[in-house]
Amino acid sequence: GENVEQHPSTLSVQEGDSAVIKCTYSDSASNYFPWYKQELGKRPQLIIDIRSNVGEKKDQRIAVTLNKTAKHFSLHITETQPEDSAVYFCAASRTSGTYKYIFGTGTRLKVLA
Amino acid sequence: GAVVSQHPSWVICKSGTSVKIECRSLDFQATTMFWYRQFPKQSLMLMATSNEGSKATYEQGVEKDKFLINHASLTLSTLTVTSAHPEDSSFYICSAANGREETQYFGPGTRLLVL
Repeated sequence: GENVEQHPSTLSVQEGDSAVIKCTYSDSASNYFPWYKQELGKRPQLIIDIRSNVGEKKDQRIAVTLNKTAKHFSLHITETQPEDSAVYFCAASRTSGTYKYIFGTGTRLKVLA
Repeated sequence: GAVVSQHPSWVICKSGTSVKIECRSLDFQATTMFWYRQFPKQSLMLMATSNEGSKATYEQGVEKDKFLINHASLTLSTLTVTSAHPEDSSFYICSAANGREETQYFGPGTRLLVL
C-alpha cells in the first residue's frame, strides 16, 4: 500500500544551526506535500506545503524541496531556535478524490540552547 | 480563518460505555472531514474519511460498527466510540477540508481515557 517514510526519527541541533528532515513517498500519483508541526498535546499546525509542479518553496527560515523523480521531499529549517522544538510530520496526498493524507512517522526535533 | 474545534478536549469513561466526540469547522464549510487516532510518540493514523451527507469511508482494520461517524452538516462531524475498552484510550484528532484546496485543518484533539 501507499506509505511515506520519514528520517530521522529524532534530531538534535544547536541553536542557530540548520535542521533537515527527509521523506520518501511510494504513490507516484501524489502531488501535494504538506509539513505539519505538532507540539506536545497540541494539534498539528501546517508550516509549509509544496505542490508537484514546484521544486522548491521557501517561507522565511523554512524551505521545502521536492524531487518528483526520486519521490523525495525535504524540510529545511535554518537558524533554528528553541521554539522550533517539536515533532514534525510530512505527508503526501493526491489532489483528487478525498485529499486523503498519508503521514510520515514523524521527527522529534530538539533545538539545544 | 480555517478554524476547527473539537469537543470535549478530554474525557474519562468506564469500560463498556460509549463516547461521542464532536468536530466543527467554525468559519468555513467542510465538505470532507477526517478522523485520526494518535498513540503516544506515534504518527497520526487515519481512521476514516467522511463527506457531508454520505457514509464514511473507513481505513483497513478500523471497525465501522465500533467507531460510528456521522457528518450531518457542512460544519459538523461526530465520532462515537461504542463500547469503549481500555485499548481505545488514545488521542483522537479530526481535520477538515473545504473541497477547494488540499490543505487539512486540524482540531485540537480529544484525549480519551477508558478505565
